[in-house]
Amino acid sequence: GDSVTQMEGPVTLSEEAFLTINCTYTATGYPSLFWYVQYPGEGLQLLLKATKADDKGSNKGFEATYRKETTSFHLEKGSVQVSDSAVYFCALSDKGSSGSARQLTFGSGTQLTVLP
Amino acid sequence: DVKVTQSSRYLVKRTGEKVFLECVQDMDHENMFWYRQDPGLGLRLIYFSYDVKMKEKGDIPEGYSVSREKKERFSLILESASTNQTSMYLCASVKDTGGDEKLFFGSGTQLSVL
Repeated sequence: GDSVTQMEGPVTLSEEAFLTINCTYTATGYPSLFWYVQYPGEGLQLLLKATKADDKGSNKGFEATYRKETTSFHLEKGSVQVSDSAVYFCALSDKGSSGSARQLTFGSGTQLTVLP
Repeated sequence: DVKVTQSSRYLVKRTGEKVFLECVQDMDHENMFWYRQDPGLGLRLIYFSYDVKMKEKGDIPEGYSVSREKKERFSLILESASTNQTSMYLCASVKDTGGDEKLFFGSGTQLSVL
């Protein structure tokens, strides 16, 4: 079945440091790929997405490129801020085993802490 | 603003109790989901519903059931709660699942089963 593997956390960075969170996936079809973010005490919210190979999703200074050849969707940001501290989830969307509605498969999440 | 509301933020129940977790969305979304979130395991899909009275099992449906009598409300039921069901439960909804999967999540219910 489909799966998503994220780099293990927690990740601790100083403000203005460069961020990379690795994400690789396994899927039988042609999935769409997503990054969701969960701030403390809140539900998840969509950060960015890419729906086909070589697409780049971007939002709030974060970027990720859909790499079909390496089955990866790594999240990057050039200069993190304290307010970026959160848990980040990589996810893919593909047809479920029932063949009906597409379902999201999530990675295990990566906790990011940014220190001032 | 779009809203997914879960009825309780924290819940403490005893083993064997029947537990109801309620979720309401105000966006007229067809699709609703229940996930559980556990450290190191990420989110795992329990059940989802793509229409009123319709439901499908997710990856870990054992020990759970769901009810969707109205479009806006999706309930998760633990028929006989057990300690291994202690977890954070997240409800989500989306308009369609044709590829633009911007799910809207509630803020979660932390359930403790003693």
